[in-house]
Amino acid sequence: KAGVTQTPRYLIKTRGQQVTLSCSPISGHRSVSWYQQTPGQGLQFLFEYFSETQRNKGNFPGRFSGRQFSNSRSEMNVSTLELGDSALYLCASSSGQGAPSYNEQFFGPGTRLTVL
Amino acid sequence: QKEVEQDPGPLSVPEGAIVSLNCTYSNSAFQYFMWYRQYSRKGPELLMYTYSSGNKEDGRFTAQVDKSSKYISLFIRDSQPSDSATYLCAIVTSGTYKYIFGTGTRLKVLA
Repeated sequence: KAGVTQTPRYLIKTRGQQVTLSCSPISGHRSVSWYQQTPGQGLQFLFEYFSETQRNKGNFPGRFSGRQFSNSRSEMNVSTLELGDSALYLCASSSGQGAPSYNEQFFGPGTRLTVL
Repeated sequence: QKEVEQDPGPLSVPEGAIVSLNCTYSNSAFQYFMWYRQYSRKGPELLMYTYSSGNKEDGRFTAQVDKSSKYISLFIRDSQPSDSATYLCAIVTSGTYKYIFGTGTRLKVLA
């Protein structure tokens, strides 16, 4: 079974630009969650999509948005980039149903975003 | 105060040592407790999960939860250099199943 894939793996942008990251979940998984990982804050939850609908949302500004397509692939967009947005962005896929014990999240390798 | 606090480390131990990794949490509504391992340049992978107070063993790994103290631990016995990684605790709220992660403890096991 192919794992979670994320593209691109590395990205360099300048302040003020926008960026779109992509995540392809494991075949059959309907939930995709996005996280931001930084050394100081650790892994912080951005949002979760399930069957094309945003089901959960973290405490990030509206510059961070996402969407999910009918094939469960998901994209995350960050507009008006700031220096503080430099981070590793991880997505995780799961079946999206049931308690976590039956609904393990599988993480992709992440996209390393650097904002200059 | 963060909802989940984790000792940041880094932690360096000799091969064969017993390692103790710890997290505390503030919300008694948290129901599921997990430990993830993250190697450099990789995404986290689930090591263990539990939802009740007490111990759960899996090979060299033991997860311990004390709900009365809001404290969780991961013990690694007979640690190996291949255990060198960042270990993250994760706590999940019931109902919304939202994951809240600790900041991670970087572990280095010296050969």
